[in-house]
Amino acid sequence: SQQGEEDPQALSIQEGENATMNCSYKTSINNLQWYRQNSGRGLVHLILIRSNEREKHSGRLRVTLDTSKKSSSLLITASRAADTASYFCAWNAGGTSYGKLTFGQGTILTVHP
Amino acid sequence: SQTIHQWPATLVQPVGSPLSLECTVEGTSNPNLYWYRQAAGRGLQLLFYSVGIGQISSEVPQNLSASRPQDRQFILSSKKLLLSDSGFYLCAWSVQRTSGRTYNEQFFGPGTRLTVL
Repeated sequence: SQQGEEDPQALSIQEGENATMNCSYKTSINNLQWYRQNSGRGLVHLILIRSNEREKHSGRLRVTLDTSKKSSSLLITASRAADTASYFCAWNAGGTSYGKLTFGQGTILTVHP
Repeated sequence: SQTIHQWPATLVQPVGSPLSLECTVEGTSNPNLYWYRQAAGRGLQLLFYSVGIGQISSEVPQNLSASRPQDRQFILSSKKLLLSDSGFYLCAWSVQRTSGRTYNEQFFGPGTRLTVL
């Protein structure tokens, strides 16, 4: 895509396994964020990583950022059935972007009990 | 604490009819406000953003318009809906730019599912 992409598009795993989702973008960024969306609902912010950070943790979530490769990954450890949702990365270009976010196409995660 | 509301939750409208979707934010002042559209549960497309009352920027040419009549109210409108306007519309807010030109996360409303028949 013109802006970036996420892979895989869909991921199916068993409870207890780890889930890794990848995001690539094409512009310079101020920060990159990950969001979760349950079916038919609004998005919930998970974690924000700034361009000068390389790794960030929040509970079972681990996000990495490689600005030289323009890529980020979200790792969910010890997954649970309740983690089933769509996960989106989004990036902010900074500067005069007024906080605007560009979203990836998302990864649909299914965790089987 | 801050909350964001959207209504209606669902809407079915005939082609050619007008549209008005409302978004309000509570518990914060002078937020940045955003309207997104999501098609088929995939990525979000930014439609409009606003950094203050009466200040609207459009990201993509389209059949829709936006207005911000009050600090914490953001409205998405159309005079005549098209079939292609169907989708899931999400409103979001974020705090204004902090010192050092950094930006923060966005907080999303529950969304409005619009079906144009």
